[in-house]
Parts: sequence; structure tokens; C-alpha cells
Amino acid sequence: QVQLVQSGAEVKKPGSSVKVSCKASGDTFSRYTISWVRQAPGQGLEWMGGIIPIFGASKNAPKFQGRVTITTDESTNTAYMEVISLRSEDTAVYYCTTDDNSGAFGLWGQGTLVTVSS
Amino acid sequence: DVVMTQSPLSLPVTLGQPASISCRASQSLVHSDGNTFLNWFHQRPGQSPRRLIYKVSNRDSGVPDRFSGSGSGTDFTLKISRVEAEDVGIYYCMQGTHWPFTFGPGTRVDIK
Repeated sequence: QVQLVQSGAEVKKPGSSVKVSCKASGDTFSRYTISWVRQAPGQGLEWMGGIIPIFGASKNAPKFQGRVTITTDESTNTAYMEVISLRSEDTAVYYCTTDDNSGAFGLWGQGTLVTVSS
Repeated sequence: DVVMTQSPLSLPVTLGQPASISCRASQSLVHSDGNTFLNWFHQRPGQSPRRLIYKVSNRDSGVPDRFSGSGSGTDFTLKISRVEAEDVGIYYCMQGTHWPFTFGPGTRVDIK
């Protein structure tokens, strides 16, 4: 069974960028969909985008188009999510999630808190 | 984008009593392949979400059978037959049929 381990918390200045990693252990996820979901403090869940590594094609929600890049490194079984031009509203916990045997969103990372503050 | 709405947004429940959460989509969630990709998640404070139900009514491994999902098209329901203390938290429906995928606003369940 795949386990997802995300990188640690980050504190960033407005206008800078952040890159969060999500390493899969226990199996290769090249054939699975990987999505990123974020949750602002006290708020609900928001799907940001996803990628199917075997196809190399990623799709973002329109809200994040142009500011979020999702990539994978199959050699290290790691997915990345980069956000540029950070603003305070990007302060959130960012989760990676992938398929389990029953389908998408069955497995989740532990979350990475990104704080954007001057 | 498909808008997902949930009701109620807050649900105080009595231990041992049933509970029900409604989820409605702004358009049909039936995929061109015939599947309906409607998931239910449970999130406790400080924890990652956990999927409970996938494709409307399929219970995930390890999920107690007091949880059940039903519905079709645009209207879906999550039911808890007898609420236990560990069921508190926030429940989200999510559609995975249409890009971009979207979540409902969440229903907070707590004990009266």
C-alpha cells in the first residue's frame, strides 16, 4: 500500500513561491492520479489540480491556472506542487492525495502548512 | 464548475441516534463511462480527510457498516444509522466526474 509523506511547514513572504513535495513509499504511483487539495484555516477543502504521471498531463482548477504547477519525478516517486506569486490568501494546509485500490482520493498525505506573511 | 451544496451545514446529534447529510450537485454526476464519481470524506480536527464512500454507495475498507451512501444524478445522501462519539467532525461530499473536481462546503457533526 502506498504511503504519502509530505515536506515540512513553510513560511513565505508575499510575492515569493513555494514548492511542496509528496513522496510515495511502498509502491510506484506512476499509473495513478495525484491531486493536490488545500484547506485555508477554518475553511473547507479545495481541489487545486491533478496529474497522471504516466501521461505526464496535469490539469489545474481555473482559479489556479498560471500560478500552480504540478509535476512528478518518477525516479524518486515524488510529486511536487509549486505556487508562485504567493499572497496571504494562500495560507493553508496543502494535501497530496492519490488512488488506492478503490479509486482516486483514497490515500492522503499528512498535509503541509504554508504560511504567507510579511 | 459543478457547485456542490450540503445540508445541513451543522448537525448536532444524539449518541445512538441516526444522522443524515444531503449533498446536491448543480449538474448530473453521471460520467460518460456510466460511473457516478461522488465521494464522501470525514475529517477530524488536525487530521487529513479520510474517504468513507466512493462512487455513491461503496463503503471503504475499515469503514463501519453504520455508514451508508445513496443517491443518483444530482442528489446524494450520507447516513449514519447510529452515531458514535468517534463520528464527530466534518463531512464533505466531492464530485470527481467533471473537471475541475469540487467539494461541498462541509457538514459539521457534533454531539448534543
